[in-house]
Amino acid sequence: GQNIDQPTEMTATEGAIVQINCTYQTSGFNGLFWYQQHAGEAPTFLSYNVLDGLEEKGRFSSFLSRSKGYSYLLLKELQMKDSASYLCAANGGSYIPTFGRGTSLIVHP
Amino acid sequence: EAQVTQNPRYLITVTGKKLTVTCSQNMNHEYMSWYRQDPGLGLRQIYYSMNVEVTDKGDVPEGYKVSRKEKRNFPLILESPSPNQTSLYFCASSPGGIAKNIQYFGAGTRLSVL
Repeated sequence: GQNIDQPTEMTATEGAIVQINCTYQTSGFNGLFWYQQHAGEAPTFLSYNVLDGLEEKGRFSSFLSRSKGYSYLLLKELQMKDSASYLCAANGGSYIPTFGRGTSLIVHP
Repeated sequence: EAQVTQNPRYLITVTGKKLTVTCSQNMNHEYMSWYRQDPGLGLRQIYYSMNVEVTDKGDVPEGYKVSRKEKRNFPLILESPSPNQTSLYFCASSPGGIAKNIQYFGAGTRLSVL
């Protein structure tokens, strides 16, 4: 079966760094995705990892450890507009993703 | 512009009155999916399709039907809606068959069943 775990909610201060963790169990593995979803809007793609290691994309980085079934999303220089829900999703053998319940990030001044 | 279009955006209906939510994509994607999103439960997959005339149940298919007669369209049908189907629905398309199978989501349909 598929199982994705991530914290429900996190808070952080503008300008700071925050790390959102995700653990997963899937039947087969074809990549780990992070999506951002602002309230009332559609999720949008942020990052993708299929090999172990860190992928950096501007203020956002994502890390994957396949042996540990673990990923994190790192957000640097937080801005108020980063307040959103962050969804971890793992692709199983059929390339159909399973989504976690999302981590609601609140950035305060 | 590459996009996934779903209609309507908002719908209020009554129990038992059949409804269809349409979804169309212009990216020539193989895969299409329907999700519902409820507070505290995240995105749950209802049905998905890996190609024309190929559909499969997701995690919560009860009470829903889909069809994939053309590559671009993937309508979601509620034959007899019930209040527990009140939710926010998203259609998504993706290239399919590759590891970097990024999901592109429509804007969402907020459904209330009274």
